[in-house]
Amino acid sequence: NAGVTQTPKFRVLKTGQSMTLLCAQDMNHEYMYWYRQDPGMGLRLIHYSVGEGTTAKGEVPDGYNVSRLKKQNFLLGLESAAPSQTSVYFCASSYGEALSTEAFFGQGTRLTVV
Amino acid sequence: QQPVQSPQAVILREGEDAVINCSSSKALYSVHWYRQKHGEAPVFLMILLKGGEQKGHEKISASFNEKKQQSSLYLTASQLSYSGTYFCGTEISNFGNEKLTFGTGTRLTIIP
Repeated sequence: NAGVTQTPKFRVLKTGQSMTLLCAQDMNHEYMYWYRQDPGMGLRLIHYSVGEGTTAKGEVPDGYNVSRLKKQNFLLGLESAAPSQTSVYFCASSYGEALSTEAFFGQGTRLTVV
Repeated sequence: QQPVQSPQAVILREGEDAVINCSSSKALYSVHWYRQKHGEAPVFLMILLKGGEQKGHEKISASFNEKKQQSSLYLTASQLSYSGTYFCGTEISNFGNEKLTFGTGTRLTIIP
């Protein structure tokens, strides 16, 4: 099993450009998450989804949009990138539902906005 | 709504013990613990569900005090491989719309 796969692993954007980060999981998980990790800030939740076709805002959603058209994929979009969005982005997934289960993380995407 | 972790960083000699604390201002459904090595993704250690249970994983164990909305991670007889940043993640019951929120992390350094 591949687990959770993030694409791309590295990217450099110019201010104002747009891009989409792809997260794919092959474990039939219901819940999927997007986090950003910055020094001293821990993992901050951007958006999450509790099932296909659903999305919800996390702690730091501004400047990002997401879509979950297929159960296995969770896309994170930056419409107009800003230097403040320079970060390492992690996607995670879990079985979710009523029983709390472990989250599996992708390997991360290092994004630099210049 | 991020849980609060303490301490922010700790340095230990191999064989010493450590305790990492996690607290929340809201009633918790579960607490997760993860460890992240530099440049890698976080890796799951254990989950504790409400009910005050304690879990163990070799020399790493944790407790969950539901009433105090706190959890503690215990590392005994630390090994060099325990070095990394430890994160607690918390879930607040929300009728099928739970979200997993992480603390700011505790950097643990084990020296020989």
